Amino acid sequence: QKEVEQDPGPLSVPEGAIVSLNCTYSNSAFQYFMWYRQYSRKGPELLMYTYSSGNKEDGRFTAQVDKSSKYISLFIRDSQPSDSATYLCAMSGNAGGTSYGKLTFGQGTILTVHP
Amino acid sequence: NAGVMQNPRHLVRRRGQEARLRCSPMKGHSHVYWYRQLPEEGLKFMVYLQKENIIDESGMPKERFSAEFPKEGPSILRIQQVVRGDSAAYFCASSGLAARYEQYFGPGTRLTVT
Repeated sequence: QKEVEQDPGPLSVPEGAIVSLNCTYSNSAFQYFMWYRQYSRKGPELLMYTYSSGNKEDGRFTAQVDKSSKYISLFIRDSQPSDSATYLCAMSGNAGGTSYGKLTFGQGTILTVHP
Repeated sequence: NAGVMQNPRHLVRRRGQEARLRCSPMKGHSHVYWYRQLPEEGLKFMVYLQKENIIDESGMPKERFSAEFPKEGPSILRIQQVVRGDSAAYFCASSGLAARYEQYFGPGTRLTVT
């Protein structure tokens, strides 16, 4: 079993839709949860990070973490064609732990937003 | 440009040659990480370095791969005697000391082994 599981999709939605992207994980040592966006043949771009459980909002993006279920989500409101990319979840342990600084990534979900 | 710099962007090597990939971290960052992205796979951690120190190399293949981050100059990922299976995109990321989970990535080096 992989430490981080992410549905690779692909996911296709119409412009303006709400998009939900999810990851599950098995390592209870993970404390930091990140979402990256990667356009084709580019480097990953950090969208948001969250510490422990809870919600975090940034513009059209909302990240949620449920540590009791080992489940994280990224919601994109009012999706735009420019949001079409691969979305990667990533996780890291706490300072002092063996996984601090070592990001473990999901496989990535390919999202297409069509006009 | 204050972002993470990587060069070359594309590198073609024949089997058995050496590949050297370079990474300059974001200004103000002193921690560098290397990741590999194979076709149809996610990003996999390889190694984590500070200046003159390897902090975690648990993701590095045991043979042919090495990394350094000297006191002066960029971090180098070195692959000796490359094989076709080394063909991949290699990404470098950097972070500050206080937030090592907050990593910013470079554009990557795409290595093709012929």
